[in-house]
Amino acid sequence: EVQLVQSGAEVKKPGESLRISCKGSGYSFTTSWIGWVRQMPGKGLEWMGIVYPGDSDTTYSPSFQGQVTISADKSISTAYLQWSSLKASDTAMYFCVRRDGYNTIVYWGQGTLVTVSS
Amino acid sequence: QSALTQPPSASGSPGQSVTISCTGTSSDVGSYNYVSWYQQHPGKAPKLMIYEVTKRPSGVPDRFSGSKSGDTASLTVSGLQPEDEADYYCSSYAGSNIVIFGGGTKLTVL
Repeated sequence: EVQLVQSGAEVKKPGESLRISCKGSGYSFTTSWIGWVRQMPGKGLEWMGIVYPGDSDTTYSPSFQGQVTISADKSISTAYLQWSSLKASDTAMYFCVRRDGYNTIVYWGQGTLVTVSS
Repeated sequence: QSALTQPPSASGSPGQSVTISCTGTSSDVGSYNYVSWYQQHPGKAPKLMIYEVTKRPSGVPDRFSGSKSGDTASLTVSGLQPEDEADYYCSSYAGSNIVIFGGGTKLTVL
């Protein structure tokens, strides 16, 4: 069974750093793209970027380029989304997803809620 | 790239049909047959309902169908049922490993 299991909810202060994780299982982690999707409170889905764990090839959506870092450690089948300096506007639910083909997302993580507040 | 354009809301009575549009550009929807539709119930992760414009994943009722004409894709839900009430999002491949989502449509079953 394919599973994407994300790390737990986080509460942080503005300016702090954070890394959240997404562990894949039940499939070949190195040969499937892993993406990240943001959903701000009461808002829609936003594509952030994607990583290919096999060679760490990464592509960012222009809106998120320079704002976050996406990476993967194939040795432990885990992808990461990290911030060096959080802002209140980073408060959102973050989903990791497995992208098949060009735009088919069957598998979603359960989501990680990140709250940034002073 | 800008978000794809969806109507904020749609509604229909049980048993009726409703169509949700998703308008992009010649750089995304118009260029690729890689449009997907997702259903999201409150507090849940989205669920894939349609991929590659018209294909339904296993387990998705055939009441859900997709189509595309030019820069606009559409999702049609026939025979509306109460459990179809949810938010629906379209997405399109936009080249260079980029995906774009629509703003979402809240479907209400009256």
